[in-house]
Amino acid sequence: KNEVEQSPQNLTAQEGEFITINCSYSVGISALHWLQQHPGGGIVSLFMLSSGKKKHGRLIATINIQEKHSSLHITASHPRDSAVYICAVHFGNEKLTFGTGTRLTIIP
Amino acid sequence: GAGVSQSPSNKVTEKGKDVELRCDPISGHTALYWYRQRLGQGLEFLIYFQGNSAPDKSGLPSDRFSAERTGESVSTLTIQRTQQEDSAVYLCASSLATSGLYEQFFGPGTRLTVL
Repeated sequence: KNEVEQSPQNLTAQEGEFITINCSYSVGISALHWLQQHPGGGIVSLFMLSSGKKKHGRLIATINIQEKHSSLHITASHPRDSAVYICAVHFGNEKLTFGTGTRLTIIP
Repeated sequence: GAGVSQSPSNKVTEKGKDVELRCDPISGHTALYWYRQRLGQGLEFLIYFQGNSAPDKSGLPSDRFSAERTGESVSTLTIQRTQQEDSAVYLCASSLATSGLYEQFFGPGTRLTVL
């Protein structure tokens, strides 16, 4: 069965802390996406990865194809980073299979 | 507009009525996706379009759900004889192509409430 698991489900941290959110999947994939869903519900695509590492500002995403694992890191976290972060993968077809999300709360 | 738009933003309907949800993708995006997010739950894939064709309808929950796309642009998701379990936020996304290597741009969603 094609599955996507995220951890932790909830994460609370102090402003400035380094944040790591993990995503594991069950079988080989063609691509992995990290999405951010704000409290108002809007969804923004952060990264699309098929290998290696990508960086955008304070956000870094890595993927290890052999271990079927990806991580999303946030450096110097800020309250405005508070959101739900969602991992989603393409299991070789066109539809996305979503993880259950990680709710991140950054306390000032 | 620059992004994906959806209408209406909110829809309240009575059980048994039909509803139509609309998605306007980014101009030039050939791929269009519909997703559903029930309250407190994760996103579920419903259907995707490559151009005006829908190769994968496997996510549609029942035969009460249908979708179409015309002119490789606007798409409508129709739910017939709505049920309370259809209450959710329905999200549309578009991308340049259906390959997983393209970023998907999401619309703001339509919040459907079935009374």
